[in-house]
Amino acid sequence: QLQLQESGPGLVKPSETLSLTCTVSGDSISSSSHYWGWIRQPPGKGLDWIGNIYYDGSTHYNPSLKSRVTISVDTSKNHFSLKLTAVTAADTAVYYCARRRPGSSCRDSWGQGMLVTVSS
Amino acid sequence: QSALTQPASVSGSPGQSITISCTGTSSDVGGYNYVSWYQQHPGKAPKLMIYDVSNRPSGVSDRFSGSKSGNTASLTISGLQAEDEAEYYCNSYTSGTTWVFGGGTKLTVL
Repeated sequence: QLQLQESGPGLVKPSETLSLTCTVSGDSISSSSHYWGWIRQPPGKGLDWIGNIYYDGSTHYNPSLKSRVTISVDTSKNHFSLKLTAVTAADTAVYYCARRRPGSSCRDSWGQGMLVTVSS
Repeated sequence: QSALTQPASVSGSPGQSITISCTGTSSDVGGYNYVSWYQQHPGKAPKLMIYDVSNRPSGVSDRFSGSKSGNTASLTISGLQAEDEAEYYCNSYTSGTTWVFGGGTKLTVL
């Protein structure tokens, strides 16, 4: 059974870098032709697509975050990561990782989500 | 990219049907059949209910259906049940090889 689990610091200081990891079990990132992505949700607000990475390493990012975001994959650990630089309070959100089927809008597996608070 | 437009709230009585709209442009909803719908209960992760406009994942009730006309996609829930009360989000592929969500619709079952 496929499971995704976010992990990382729950508190980040303003201007620093937010780093999260999504560990995948029940599927192999390197052999699975899926997209692996990040979505966030500020408290009390809607969902915001951050970006995704394909198993071959190609990436796509939300234009509004593109200058600050990097998504990478570590196939040896079967996980993918998110880095968001120069964070502000506006980056406080629940961060979700998810898997999407290629050539489809089928984003069928999600992590439980992780709250990251930006505060000094 | 601008968020897709959804009504802030809809409501219905048990057994009734409701429809939630999701309006975009020809660069997203209207240009591709890559629209999905997610249900989110408070404190929980979103759950996929419809993908590629009208396809239901395995395990999702057939009371949920999706459609699209022009730049507007719709989610219809028939035979409303108390457990359907949740927030619903649409999501679409865009011409910039990115994805955009709607602002969300709160469904209240009266």
